[in-house]
Amino acid sequence: DAGVIQSPRHEVTEMGQEVTLRCKPISGHNSLFWYRQTMMRGLELLIYFNNNVPIDDSGMPEDRFSAKMPNASFSTLKIQPSEPRDSAVYFCASTKGLAGEAKNIQYFGAGTRLSVL
Amino acid sequence: DAKTTQPTSMDCAEGRAANLPCNHSTISGNEYVYWYRQIHSQGPQYIIHGLKNNETNEMASLIITEDRKSSTLILPHATLRDTAVYYCIVRYRNSGNTPLVFGKGTRLSVIA
Repeated sequence: DAGVIQSPRHEVTEMGQEVTLRCKPISGHNSLFWYRQTMMRGLELLIYFNNNVPIDDSGMPEDRFSAKMPNASFSTLKIQPSEPRDSAVYFCASTKGLAGEAKNIQYFGAGTRLSVL
Repeated sequence: DAKTTQPTSMDCAEGRAANLPCNHSTISGNEYVYWYRQIHSQGPQYIIHGLKNNETNEMASLIITEDRKSSTLILPHATLRDTAVYYCIVRYRNSGNTPLVFGKGTRLSVIA
């Protein structure tokens, strides 16, 4: 399996521009997570989906952020308009999410490094 | 999920065992101990997990104290490629489809 695939790997944009990050989870996984990592705040959850349905978006910083999962094999995280403080590494992760199963490993993508100038 | 405490950083000589401690004194009976690591510029990677028995896999060993209030991740023969931030996370058994909560972790530096 190719693992969790994120694109682009790097994104440099100017303040005010729209940014779209993409994620393809591992086939057969039914839970998908978007995390953000900064030096100040570490790794933190933005939003996650179970069976393509958003479950918790309380980590989304503000209305400028939105996420969708139109099907089991694709998710997007959009920032519009982008601001310099959005600069971070954004990770997508997926898991089988089996109820009652202790070994529910989350597999992470390589991340998208976003720089907003 | 129970809170964990880890040292900020550790050094280890290449080829020696790396022992990474984690305190989780408020752990409940239904909570597992998980370890993930993050190598520079990569996403976090699962290492191992356990409930109360010691566990071993191809990557590491996990030793959990009898009272379950602390644990130690052991990398038996550390290599330079093991240099990473190691996260100890406590989670309920049924939380498989919920997010991981990362603390600051331990930055392990393996030195040649």
